[in-house]
Amino acid sequence: GAVVSQHPSRVICKSGTSVKIECRSLDFQATTMFWYRQFPKQSLMLMATSNEGSKATYEQGVEKDKFLINHASLTLSTLTVTSAHPEDSSFYICSVPSGYAGYTFGSGTRLTVV
Amino acid sequence: GENVEQHPSTLSVQEGDSAVIKCTYSDSASNYFPWYKQELGKRPQLIIDIRSNVGEKKDQRIAVTLNKTAKHFSLHITETQPEDSAVYFCAATPGYSTLTFGKGTMLLVSP
Repeated sequence: GAVVSQHPSRVICKSGTSVKIECRSLDFQATTMFWYRQFPKQSLMLMATSNEGSKATYEQGVEKDKFLINHASLTLSTLTVTSAHPEDSSFYICSVPSGYAGYTFGSGTRLTVV
Repeated sequence: GENVEQHPSTLSVQEGDSAVIKCTYSDSASNYFPWYKQELGKRPQLIIDIRSNVGEKKDQRIAVTLNKTAKHFSLHITETQPEDSAVYFCAATPGYSTLTFGKGTMLLVSP
């Protein structure tokens, strides 16, 4: 499968600030990447589908103006949590569909908003 | 869209016993069914997967079965070990689209 790098692994930010999370596909050209959010002791919930060179597709209930996604190249997608609040604290993880090899996940980002 | 149900939510076994986790899916178009193991604070790791043209797949102590008619697939772990303790997620997808995950099963293997 693909090799996926996600940064940062942990971030603590103040309420009201913005945080950018990067997801890089190191050896696979990814026209699509998926962003998930996982609250403690819960499953992975799809937030949005990131499409290279076009707008992201957001799942119902996910605010597109709050969770900005940019997929400017075949190797990089970014998720920016704008005006973060404590309820945005969660584990954010990207996934790259890598053909017949299935899906590869980034290492995840633990966001804590204080 | 796809809906995946997973049971049980928690499973406790003694070391050496077998563990079975079951999932059902709703979308008959789904054709790829991976199973992931996730340890606390880490990314999900693929442990085994199956495609709709196969009924069973085995990899050492882990096996997965698929019943397309019943829209049902299961994970079987034999000779469980304490290091098998983790949360296991099933998932389904119709082709190279987004994965829909089950709610997860916390497996606890006691020595």
